[in-house]
Order: sequence, then structure tokens, then C-alpha cells
Amino acid sequence: QQQVKQSPQSLIVQKGGISIINCAYENTAFDYFPWYQQFPGKGPALLIAIRPDVSEKKEGRFTISFNKSAKQFSLHIMDSQPGDSATYFCAASKGLTGGGADGLTFGKGTHLIIQP
Amino acid sequence: DTAVSQTPKYLVTQMGNDKSIKCEQNLGHDTMYWYKQDSKKFLKIMFSYNNKELIINETVPNRFSPKSPDKAHLNLHINSLELGDSAVYFCASSLAATNEKLFFGSGTQLSVL
Repeated sequence: QQQVKQSPQSLIVQKGGISIINCAYENTAFDYFPWYQQFPGKGPALLIAIRPDVSEKKEGRFTISFNKSAKQFSLHIMDSQPGDSATYFCAASKGLTGGGADGLTFGKGTHLIIQP
Repeated sequence: DTAVSQTPKYLVTQMGNDKSIKCEQNLGHDTMYWYKQDSKKFLKIMFSYNNKELIINETVPNRFSPKSPDKAHLNLHINSLELGDSAVYFCASSLAATNEKLFFGSGTQLSVL
């Protein structure tokens, strides 16, 4: 049973446009929601993360929107650049309440291509 | 200096062999992890160690055995390799056992022939 569902599987956006990736979770015990960026041949790297006590978090061109009642969160990349082309993973965990006992549960990833 | 380094980068071996992947972190973190990424890029936790003690042991075959000689190292030993073990294995570390701010290594591509 997949606990974090991510969509779309792939996404093509023009340079300068907004990239939007969505995730939905099932386990209401999750209290930490990070996004990771992965380039080919590299490990995932933390991009931005949010806790359920806020509805939005912004860092530079990257914003997470969080809807606790709908159990959904999304990543927005503003002014998308070719260098943003990568695979993006949402994840969730019971980080603070569970003592990290279950690890991160990842979505299946979104392959993002930014066209020049 | 690489924060989380794992060796080897590539590992090609025959079915039935035993192999090890080494991981070291120089971040002073207390917690280390092994994740498996399959051919469809799905990432799944395998093991987690906090201060050399096992805290996560997901449902993986007991052919996989992690070993943590100290909190800066977490190695993965795999016995009797099978075709289905082919994947990319990532080591990661974090300051504490909260799954927050994981730093991943560059991965080990394991191919079992």
C-alpha cells in the first residue's frame, strides 16, 4: 500500500514557467513533509520541507503548499530554469512523534524537464 | 570533502556471491540509513542506525546485514546475491533519528548477473 501518492509522473515546463508537483498522503500521523531533488547519478538532496502547523513555506523560487484537511501538499517552482530539470520526490515521516522509527516514505517521483 | 561517501560506485557481480558496500559520513551525525532505489526510481528505507544501534529494520531478506563499527560508518553486507537485488543503494545520514535533513551519498549501482 503506497502511503504517499505523487503526480504527475513526468512534467515538461517552459523556461520561466511555474512547475507544480502534487502529493497526497494517507497516514495522519505524518508530521514532516520534505521534498528532495535528484540529478542523474547523484543521491537525493533536500530541497525544502514543511510541518503541518503551517500552510505554506517559501525558500527562494521553491514553495510548499500544505493542506492538512485534504492531506495534500505540493511543490511550486517559480521561474523554472533548465538547471531545475531533475527528478523530484515528495516524502513524509513521523519524524518528531515517531522518533524516526519508520524512515521516510517517498512518493514515486516526478521527472521534470524545463525546456529552454 | 564529500559529506557522505559510499564505495564502490558500481558493483557488478554474479548471482550467489557475497558483497559489501561501505559508507562513511564526516558530518558528525548520529543517525545513518540505507535506502534502496529500484529500476523505477522508487526509494525505500531498509535500515537505520542511531549511535551504532539499529532502530529501523524494514522487511528485507536476512541476506542483507548492516554493520556499524562506529557512528560515522554504516556498511551493508549482502549474502547470496539474487537477480532481484539489482538496484541503486543509497547511504544517508542525519543529525538525529527524526528523518529530518537527510544527506545522501551518491549511491552504489549494484548489478547482479
